[in-house]
Amino acid sequence: SQKIEQNSEALNIQEGKTATLTCNYTNYSPAYLQWYRQDPGRGPVFLLLIRENEKEKRKERLKVTFDTTLKQSLFHITASQPADSATYLCALSLNSGYSTLTFGKGTMLLVSP
Amino acid sequence: GAVVSQHPSRVICKSGTSVKIECRSLDFQATTMFWYRQFPKQSLMLMATSNEGSKATYEQGVEKDKFLINHASLTLSTLTVTSAHPEDSSFYICSARDSQGNSYEQYFGPGTRLTVT
Repeated sequence: SQKIEQNSEALNIQEGKTATLTCNYTNYSPAYLQWYRQDPGRGPVFLLLIRENEKEKRKERLKVTFDTTLKQSLFHITASQPADSATYLCALSLNSGYSTLTFGKGTMLLVSP
Repeated sequence: GAVVSQHPSRVICKSGTSVKIECRSLDFQATTMFWYRQFPKQSLMLMATSNEGSKATYEQGVEKDKFLINHASLTLSTLTVTSAHPEDSSFYICSARDSQGNSYEQYFGPGTRLTVT
């Protein structure tokens, strides 16, 4: 069956360190993968998209890698700040065009001052 | 940036009644909108895809007669939960795709917390 797995345990790190979150999937061949941030009681906010033919994408302190052989994406936040504390969701899309998204459960990140 | 609003943000209703949730794209036109449901500590589950001027496409296991979707204009889609029961209590989130933008981008609303007593 198709699965998207993210770290179920919350990730606790110290301010200034790099946070690394993992998204693994099985029985999918996604055209692209997206990362979202979700704060409690709020809708998700888009962060980054990476396509199947891309290895890495960066945006400010954020970096996403995509390994279609390992079927894994890593999401990094460098120089983390307490304001980065939130739940981070990965989502897969099977088609490059008009397509629905399938979400993982998300990983909660807690950055301590 | 593209903004999607939802109304109401929270609603409490009695079992057996119906509740309507609105999803609006404020500064862009959305031919396609999506409705998701999220239970605590769970992922967003797609319920249905709403296309302006046509019938919604429901995901497997979602009752179309219970969750009525109307996408009557390019900026508004509504979800009506009919004959609500306590198990329908959840966080309902809509998203919208900009008709003029990249096909992959979805903009999410802030969500509606439904509690059925």
